[in-house]
Amino acid sequence: GAGVSQSPRYKVAKRGQDVALRCDPISGHVSLFWYQQALGQGPEFLTYFQNEAQLDKSGLPSDRFFAERPEGSVSTLKIQRTQQEDSAVYLCASKEGPGDYGYTFGSGTRLTVV
Amino acid sequence: AQTVTQSQPEMSVQEAETVTLSCTYDTSENNYYLFWYKQPPSRQMILVIRQEAYKQQNATENRFSVNFQKAAKSFSLKISDSQLGDTAMYFCAFMKHVLDYKLSFGAGTTVTVRA
Repeated sequence: GAGVSQSPRYKVAKRGQDVALRCDPISGHVSLFWYQQALGQGPEFLTYFQNEAQLDKSGLPSDRFFAERPEGSVSTLKIQRTQQEDSAVYLCASKEGPGDYGYTFGSGTRLTVV
Repeated sequence: AQTVTQSQPEMSVQEAETVTLSCTYDTSENNYYLFWYKQPPSRQMILVIRQEAYKQQNATENRFSVNFQKAAKSFSLKISDSQLGDTAMYFCAFMKHVLDYKLSFGAGTTVTVRA
């Protein structure tokens, strides 16, 4: 597609519920990233994929967070047993490859845990 | 880890005037990349301007320009002839080098352009 598409745009989850957030990157983009943006803060790195390989998951805050990109295109960020501190905007970004610094961000999913 | 500091939570500017946003960073690297991103209410991060640390010349993109002071580790953004559409949150970001994929962001500055 023309841009990075994320769905849903908004998600309200009850505490303890599992959620799945989807990212559809620009076609052909090898590198894909997830960032977490708390209210009033800058985004923070969660994880990085190169094609289907998850090369860095050092930013995932706990083992309740899990990301996958099984076919090297669409990615899903899953949060199990959501807690209030998980409330944030989750941004996905992609770029052509490792040697490119031209990130394209999606519009994010705003997750609210009640 | 790299630290990026934006000390101005909010800035207000009259339409057609100029506003300057400050950013400082901490790194031991010699070659790196700096960025300014704009985030309007739509939430999509839009690249405004970037600067390679090895380039001494300050980057310029139309009404946006930077003042890059490498020794002082300072990277300010100047918005000239401000327009209503410039109203957004602005983030300064750092990347160690092009093969280091992580962006480190500051906390952001909210810019409001008044008619």
